[in-house]
Amino acid sequence: GENVEQHPSTLSVQEGDSAVIKCTYSDSASNYFPWYKQELGKRPQLIIDIRSNVGEKKDQRIAVTLNKTAKHFSLHITETQPEDSAVYFCAATPYNQGGKLIFGQGTELSVKP
Amino acid sequence: DGGITQSPKYLFRKEGQNVTLSCEQNLNHDAMYWYRQDPGQGLRLIYYSQIVNDFQKGDIAEGYSVSREKKESFPLTVTSAQKNPTAFYLCASRTSSGQKNIQYFGAGTRLSVL
Repeated sequence: GENVEQHPSTLSVQEGDSAVIKCTYSDSASNYFPWYKQELGKRPQLIIDIRSNVGEKKDQRIAVTLNKTAKHFSLHITETQPEDSAVYFCAATPYNQGGKLIFGQGTELSVKP
Repeated sequence: DGGITQSPKYLFRKEGQNVTLSCEQNLNHDAMYWYRQDPGQGLRLIYYSQIVNDFQKGDIAEGYSVSREKKESFPLTVTSAQKNPTAFYLCASRTSSGQKNIQYFGAGTRLSVL
C-alpha cells in the first residue's frame, strides 16, 4: 500500500526566512496531495493541495511542487511569520481507495521572531 | 469544517470498558473517516465509510468498531481489545461528487485510560 515519508521532523527558522518541507510517496497511482496545518490541540486545517496533473500551485506565501517521476512533493513557505509555527502534515490519496489519506509523520515548524 | 461535530472533547476509559466516540456532520458528505493521532506519528486511518451501511478497515482497525446507519453519523467504538487506546481521535468527512477530495476534520476527542 501507499507509504508517505516526510522530512524534516522539526524545522526552526528566523522570521522572514523561507521554510521547505519535503515528502515522498510510494504508490505512483496516487493522484491527490494535500497539506494540512495543525496548531497545538486543534484540528488539522487544509492549507494547500495539488493534483497529479499539476506541477506547481501557489497561494500567497505558500506553494507546493510535485515531481511525479521522482514521487516527491514539497511545501514552500516564504516570508515566514510567528503565526506559521505549527505542525505540518503532507498526505497522499491512493487512486480508487475511497479517498482515504495516507499521512506523513509531520514537521514541527518553529518561526522565531 | 465547522459542520463536523465530535463529542465528547475528553473521554476517560476504565480497564475492560468499551467507549463510543461520536461524529456528526451536516455537510451532506458521503464519505467519513476515523483517524488516530499519536505524538510524532502523524494520523493513521482506523476505519472509513463511503456510503451508508458500508465501511472498510483502515491500517489500524484492530480493537475498534464502527457503524454507519445514517449519512450524518459515523460513531467509533473503542473496545476493550484495544490495549493502548490513549490518543487523539479525529473524524473527517468528504464529498464524493466531482473531483473534490478535500477532507474536513472535526475538533477531535482526546481519550485517556484511567
